[in-house]
Amino acid sequence: GENVEQHPSTLSVQEGDSAVIKCTYSDSASNYFPWYKQELGKRPQLIIDIRSNVGEKKDQRIAVTLNKTAKHFSLHITETQPEDSAVYFCAASKSNFGNEKLTFGTGTRLTIIP
Amino acid sequence: DTAVSQTPKYLVTQMGNDKSIKCEQNLGHDTMYWYKQDSKKFLKIMFSYNNKELIINETVPNRFSPKSPDKAHLNLHINSLELGDSAVYFCASRPGSGFTGELFFGEGSRLTVL
Repeated sequence: GENVEQHPSTLSVQEGDSAVIKCTYSDSASNYFPWYKQELGKRPQLIIDIRSNVGEKKDQRIAVTLNKTAKHFSLHITETQPEDSAVYFCAASKSNFGNEKLTFGTGTRLTIIP
Repeated sequence: DTAVSQTPKYLVTQMGNDKSIKCEQNLGHDTMYWYKQDSKKFLKIMFSYNNKELIINETVPNRFSPKSPDKAHLNLHINSLELGDSAVYFCASRPGSGFTGELFFGEGSRLTVL
């Protein structure tokens, strides 16, 4: 089955700096790569996603890049703010005739230092 | 007007007891999931149902029995609770089979086994 690795497990950056989180996946058939943000005590919520026919996607301060050949994708947050502090999860999924499952990475705890 | 709702939010019980967690979604989605998040924040899929039919069972002990009375509800019953079952259990839903897209999570049910 799919295996998703995520690095780093913890990341601290100064407010205003950029943060980068990286993930690799094992199943070359995976074609959907979302990123979820989980604030303390809350549920995971989708912040951005990318499909395998696209190399990069941007939404304001958040961007995701995908390298299908290398089977890795990254989350980039620019101009970080205190409210960006949370645990971030990457995930991978593929269309599988009803058997779709989202496999999550192990999470990155991002702390923004004011 | 919560999209995916779980009850109870908190559950504290003794080892050996049996407990249930209920989940309901009002999004009209066909596919529902149970995920377990342990103390290290790992999010692992347990089960998925598509239109009341069990699709994914990720080698979860048979003390865990999901039940889907209709496509809007997916309940989780756990027999003979063990200390290692302590975790946050998230219910989630997605539009349907063949669809890879956003997973909508409930608020989570924190189970503590003493």
